[in-house]
Amino acid sequence: DADVTQTPRNRITKTGKRIMLECSQTKGHDRMYWYRQDPGLGLRLIYYSFDVKDINKGEISDGYSVSRQAQAKFSLSLESAIPNQTALYFCATSDPLAAAYEQYFGPGTRLTVT
Amino acid sequence: QKEVEQNSGPLSVPEGAIASLNCTYSDRGSQSFFWYRQYSGKSPELIMSIYSNGDKEDGRFTAQLNKASQYVSLLIRDSQPSDSATYLCTWGSQGNLIFGKGTKLSVK
Repeated sequence: DADVTQTPRNRITKTGKRIMLECSQTKGHDRMYWYRQDPGLGLRLIYYSFDVKDINKGEISDGYSVSRQAQAKFSLSLESAIPNQTALYFCATSDPLAAAYEQYFGPGTRLTVT
Repeated sequence: QKEVEQNSGPLSVPEGAIASLNCTYSDRGSQSFFWYRQYSGKSPELIMSIYSNGDKEDGRFTAQLNKASQYVSLLIRDSQPSDSATYLCTWGSQGNLIFGKGTKLSVK
């Protein structure tokens, strides 16, 4: 089984809808991250969480919110989706006690907002 | 502004040749540098980490770090078609990674 899983893998939604992307991990890592990737723009950090009670905004948090339900689960919500949120979304994890900056990515969610 | 600069490519090399990917970064204080490989439509995969000046070899991959010049590179020897991917240079800062936009490598 994959260490970092994301659901759904693909999603098409309409403008104005609320959508949640979920990330689960079995690696036992404390730190979790949400990124989006757009062609030509690279990976951009949306939110990150160093533990269940520590959640921080990244470079592009506007229009997004997150919830860290447990050490293993980190969800990303789009409260009211808009077309420019169409992108590939990745969750990642890292272990600060081992190699703090080595991040391991989930398979991604391809989101299309029409 | 913390940045990573990479040549976006595409970099095209013949099969069996050495591919050289380069990257510069903006923070002299950074101690941790990584290369990720990303196939089209897939997630980034960590392939090399380097923390000190000099070379680090792992199979056909060699990472090179020069902190004085704020420069990190990745050499791929005996390039194979399966190496065709986008390579992301990244460095660690305040618990997070700063990613470059990636260099697309094509091996033919």
